[in-house]
Amino acid sequence: DVKVTQSSRYLVKRTGEKVFLECVQDMDHENMFWYRQDPGLGLRLIYFSYDVKMKEKGDIPEGYSVSREKKERFSLILESASTNQTSMYLCASSLRGLAYGYTFGSGTRLTVV
Amino acid sequence: LAKTTQPISMDSYEGQEVNITCSHNNIATNDYITWYQQFPSQGPRFIIQGYKTKVTNEVASLFIPADRKSSTLSLPRVSLSDTAVYYCLVGDNYGQNFVFGPGTRLSVLP
Repeated sequence: DVKVTQSSRYLVKRTGEKVFLECVQDMDHENMFWYRQDPGLGLRLIYFSYDVKMKEKGDIPEGYSVSREKKERFSLILESASTNQTSMYLCASSLRGLAYGYTFGSGTRLTVV
Repeated sequence: LAKTTQPISMDSYEGQEVNITCSHNNIATNDYITWYQQFPSQGPRFIIQGYKTKVTNEVASLFIPADRKSSTLSLPRVSLSDTAVYYCLVGDNYGQNFVFGPGTRLSVLP
């Protein structure tokens, strides 16, 4: 089974801090994604990457950046955390273009105080 | 990407069959219909995918009419453990990303 591992399950950070969320997948998936999930809004795509050092903006990239230096690792960076970034963050990976092939991590619940 | 519309929530009782319909009026010729399931405190997981007619696996059935403008996910004899959010995605299998809408929150009651 493909595993997508997110480094932290729960995280509490202060306003203005720089926050790193790490995601590692153990299969040779080209695509990796970062979503945030808020009540009533479903999953919203922040950024995705379809290759090493490649990144594409999703629907809500403002306030975030990403890094993909290795194929298996995709990091989400909150440059200066704000309270409206309190959310559940989900990482996913997939084989290129396969809608049925998404594998998600268990999520990181981030609270910014 | 074809826009999808699903009910926000549904209630059912244990042992009943549940049908969740997704509308996708602008579905393209190359698009597939894919359903994911998300339990509380977990990421979504793939349930079923289809292109037309009917697809069945050990978890669910997917019914797609000839015009493909809608699809219905059918869960036979639900149990409490089927309480989850169900997402309908539409897109071709060569797209780079797919849109997860708000989904349908299914609550199964005893």
